[in-house]
Amino acid sequence: EPEVTQTPSHQVTQMGQEVILRCVPISNHLYFYWYRQILGQKVEFLVSFYNNEISEKSEIFDDQFSVERPDGSNFTLKIRSTKLEDSAMYFCASSNYATGEGGEAFFGQGTRLTVV
Amino acid sequence: QKEVEQNSGPLSVPEGAIASLNCTYSDRGSQSFFWYRQYSGKSPELIMSIYSNGDKEDGRFTAQLNKASQYVSLLIRDSQPSDSATYLCAVISNFGNEKLTFGTGTRLTIIP
Repeated sequence: EPEVTQTPSHQVTQMGQEVILRCVPISNHLYFYWYRQILGQKVEFLVSFYNNEISEKSEIFDDQFSVERPDGSNFTLKIRSTKLEDSAMYFCASSNYATGEGGEAFFGQGTRLTVV
Repeated sequence: QKEVEQNSGPLSVPEGAIASLNCTYSDRGSQSFFWYRQYSGKSPELIMSIYSNGDKEDGRFTAQLNKASQYVSLLIRDSQPSDSATYLCAVISNFGNEKLTFGTGTRLTIIP
């Protein structure tokens, strides 16, 4: 069964360093997303990406964050200068449509980012 | 602020019984509704999607949607210990707006 894959599963970084989280969405999906979940809190939307551009972003997704689809398969989230409060599980997701039947989003296994 | 509300639990249900999970949402224009299961330390796993009023059944799971009451529920029949997890209700608010808004989740424990 097709699945979303994320690497690495766990990333430890020093405050102020740049990190890149990588995702391979399901191959025929068109919409790609990043969500994050701080320990003990709800899953929060960061950004959605369609047709090679950001279609929506949340207040969390400030200038420190960027996304890219560098080739036909990968989808990356870059955090330029990490802060302690960026420590969270980051989930990549993809869907075939934006909404309605077929718009179900499937999540990768997540990357646990720890900023020290 | 578009909100999705769930009782955080924990909800304890005996094995073999029916577990009932509830969710309310604030945006009356919401179009798409989902239930995800999340085991501790793992990612959300899609269980059910529902788009129109009424019931939708898939195996032991039934999702129920009432748009007039802004209420969506998930019933799990013949509950198994492996159903013990946090269940997340998620909503897409408007047509063309594809982001999911999640509730805080209900922690379900199935007691053998």
